[in-house]
Amino acid sequence: RKEVEQDPGPFNVPEGATVAFNCTYSNSASQSFFWYRQDCRKEPKLLMSVYSSGNEDGRFTAQLNRASQYISLLIRDSKLSDSATYLCVVNPGGGYSGGGADGLTFGKGTHLIIQP
Amino acid sequence: NAGVTQTPKFQVLKTGQSMTLQCAQDMNHNSMYWYRQDPGMGLRLIYYSASEGTTDKGEVPNGYNVSRLNKREFSLRLESAAPSQTSVYFCASSEAGHRGNQPQHFGDGTRLSIL
Repeated sequence: RKEVEQDPGPFNVPEGATVAFNCTYSNSASQSFFWYRQDCRKEPKLLMSVYSSGNEDGRFTAQLNRASQYISLLIRDSKLSDSATYLCVVNPGGGYSGGGADGLTFGKGTHLIIQP
Repeated sequence: NAGVTQTPKFQVLKTGQSMTLQCAQDMNHNSMYWYRQDPGMGLRLIYYSASEGTTDKGEVPNGYNVSRLNKREFSLRLESAAPSQTSVYFCASSEAGHRGNQPQHFGDGTRLSIL
């Protein structure tokens, strides 16, 4: 089972619509969760952290369901500029080889296309 | 603010050649990371450095070496490049020390082709 799974899409959504992505993770001990955004041929950029109680940042809402081990991202009133690949990112906890800092585990991303 | 700076941005090598990818961050972060990103594979961790003076293997370390030169700089070396190492390489840094609950900040990548 892959550690972090996402629907690759593409999701084709009309401008102004609401769109939601889910992401599932396999390690129940995972400690930290993030959504990153990656534009074509660019670096990943942090969109938002995901907190247990759910959190909102403008048009973006992230939620975590630890019992079912999934994370969601909701985008309201979508804009053309929201077109990108959205990466679900999980810290699996425990470090690599027992080391200190942890590399994050990235999903392969969900491709979103906002259509005018 | 520069953030995380990678050099070079593009490189073409022949099989068997060696090269070093450079990364520097100006955010006073403790931890630094090297990833590779391939089509259909997502980002995979090559090596990381939790703090100055330490380095550890990630998911795909074979064929690579790293050096944490000081707190700012973390380099990735390919000793004998192979076509399978054709990829986009990203360096990242984070405050860390908190078991990974700090987000990582990425450089804009090095596009490497091995012929």
